[in-house]
Amino acid sequence: DAKTTQPTSMDCAEGRAANLPCNHSTISGNEYVYWYRQIHSQGPQYIIHGLKNNETNEMASLIITEDRKSSTLILPHATLRDTAVYYCIVRVPNAGNMLTFGGGTRLMVKP
Amino acid sequence: NAGVTQTPKFQVLKTGQSMTLQCAQDMNHEYMSWYRQDPGMGLRLIHYSVGAGITDQGEVPNGYNVSRSTTEDFPLRLLSAAPSQTSVYFCASSYFLAGVRETQYFGPGTRLLVL
Repeated sequence: DAKTTQPTSMDCAEGRAANLPCNHSTISGNEYVYWYRQIHSQGPQYIIHGLKNNETNEMASLIITEDRKSSTLILPHATLRDTAVYYCIVRVPNAGNMLTFGGGTRLMVKP
Repeated sequence: NAGVTQTPKFQVLKTGQSMTLQCAQDMNHEYMSWYRQDPGMGLRLIHYSVGAGITDQGEVPNGYNVSRSTTEDFPLRLLSAAPSQTSVYFCASSYFLAGVRETQYFGPGTRLLVL
């Protein structure tokens, strides 16, 4: 799996967009970008994933650069409940390849 | 669907004791895995299974055993507990839809303290 680099922590004002960056400069052509988050004391929760095109779902948007070496997770209107650790993971989705979680970004949404 | 369930939620063991952490899923997922999370750290993979009867080691397998006799259940056994195994343990299951989508569903975790 390609290595990812994320800032250790970020703050965001409630109601504003939270933009969480992730660098994955060694990503290979068949690797997807996944985002999970972990709210305090709970199990991780899937957010979104993509290969090369930008993706959007009910939770967030994922913007992947054209060279695929970095991506940004966007929470359009952050709420206090979005305070969590956000993990960016790059991997090939196949049968024997489980997720490898790094340190992630601790997002603090403030009133 | 109950999703992924784990029991117990909390457990205190003495050094040298053995125990089994239970994990079950009712989504008919083929793939299941166990992670541990130490304070302030990310998750580390212990063991995983790609189907009934098939298991393999992850990043930190030492001191743990697993088996997968059914699709639904994936228990994690601590053979002789050590203080270094104090952690929060998460079980996860996932499905694979070739090349298109795969997400992991996590249980609520088991908090283990080894004295």
